[in-house]
Amino acid sequence: DAGITQSPRHKVTETGTPVTLRCHQTENHRYMYWYRQDPGHGLRLIHYSYGVKDTDKGEVSDGYSVSRSKTEDFLLTLESATSSQTSVYFCAISDGANQPQHFGDGTRLSIL
Amino acid sequence: KQEVTQIPAALSVPEGENLVLNCSFTDSAIYNLQWFRQDPGKGLTSLLLIQSSQREQTSGRLNASLDKSSGRSTLYIAASQPGDSATYLCAEITQGGSEKLVFGKGMKLTVNP
Repeated sequence: DAGITQSPRHKVTETGTPVTLRCHQTENHRYMYWYRQDPGHGLRLIHYSYGVKDTDKGEVSDGYSVSRSKTEDFLLTLESATSSQTSVYFCAISDGANQPQHFGDGTRLSIL
Repeated sequence: KQEVTQIPAALSVPEGENLVLNCSFTDSAIYNLQWFRQDPGKGLTSLLLIQSSQREQTSGRLNASLDKSSGRSTLYIAASQPGDSATYLCAEITQGGSEKLVFGKGMKLTVNP
């Protein structure tokens, strides 16, 4: 299995609080991605990174920010969580468009 | 807008059948297509990646094909087993798409013993 660790694995928090999810990789892959998975919508890209300090928006980026200060870590932040952000969040990594993306085990986030 | 469709959304079959899972995409400028498996409560496991220059890829009992002209990919599972029960997702990257995957909503497969 690709060396991807997501933390925390589960989190329950209240509306309006800040939340940070962490993705850590040991593969030294260039690309890292954050997705959310919701019933009826499937997997949707939030943000991605193509190198240290290089990030871009995905399909559903509103309300989320990311940072990548080291190759191995990609952080996803909800500045002020809302109930609509209750979801399962997945991190993925790849070494380029011709390489497969590999996924972490996910973070189940509930916002009450 | 890129769209990826998987029909049907669910399939239930007896053990031993040979299966064909379908995936259709709207953008013919596809760069590659990837098939995944997801078990309940788990992350996605990459099964096969087909690049646009390839017609098919094989891994064990799995064979995936790609037809850009018709906008279709199929995942063939030979001699299905109960352990194959999972949700199968396909996803495409289009040329100039910044390595971003666009996913279908998946097909839930149940193989009955």
